[in-house]
Amino acid sequence: EAGVAQSPRYKIIEKRQSVAFWCNPISGHATLYWYQQILGQGPKLLIQFQNNGVVDDSQLPKDRFSAERLKGVDSTLKIQPAKLEDSAVYLCASSSLGGQINEQYFGPGTRLTVT
Amino acid sequence: GENVEQHPSTLSVQEGDSAVIKCTYSDSASNYFPWYKQELGKGPQLIIDIRSNVGEKKDQRIAVTLNKTAKHFSLHITETQPEDSAVYFCAASRISGFQKLVFGTGTRLLVSP
Repeated sequence: EAGVAQSPRYKIIEKRQSVAFWCNPISGHATLYWYQQILGQGPKLLIQFQNNGVVDDSQLPKDRFSAERLKGVDSTLKIQPAKLEDSAVYLCASSSLGGQINEQYFGPGTRLTVT
Repeated sequence: GENVEQHPSTLSVQEGDSAVIKCTYSDSASNYFPWYKQELGKGPQLIIDIRSNVGEKKDQRIAVTLNKTAKHFSLHITETQPEDSAVYFCAASRISGFQKLVFGTGTRLLVSP
């Protein structure tokens, strides 16, 4: 079974620029999560999708962050404009069903550096 | 909302020793507590989890204990090996509704040969 794929793996941008991350979940997984992991901290949930609908985006800084999951499969997370404090690893995870306890499978993450 | 605290932040042991990582949570409604292992350059991977109707769960060299009254849970690794070296995260969530994991700050475990 192929795991969660993310790209790019690394990205360096200047502040005020924009950036986009892509995630391809495990085939058949209905639930997709985006997490932000700042160095030395645990992952923090940014947004959760059930199929192509948003079920939780309470911690997403909506003035600069946006995410979409078209057709309930792949997802993109965008930051525009980026700030220095956005430097972090952005993790995508998927699980087979929402509303139940199912293991979340994480991708390798995208390491973003904002200079 | 839920808040999870994790200690220690770093832990160094000799190969063969035991390692214990402790977490506390604030939301008494939380009833699902997974533990994740994150190796360098990789995403977190679930290693064991426990639900609130169980006090202890074991899987080979790892075990998790839960004290709901005190709102804390712990990860125990016995007979540690160098390949156990990684960052370990605890997390908490409610089973009802959509699963929203709140993670601890992580423990860097170093097992020396």
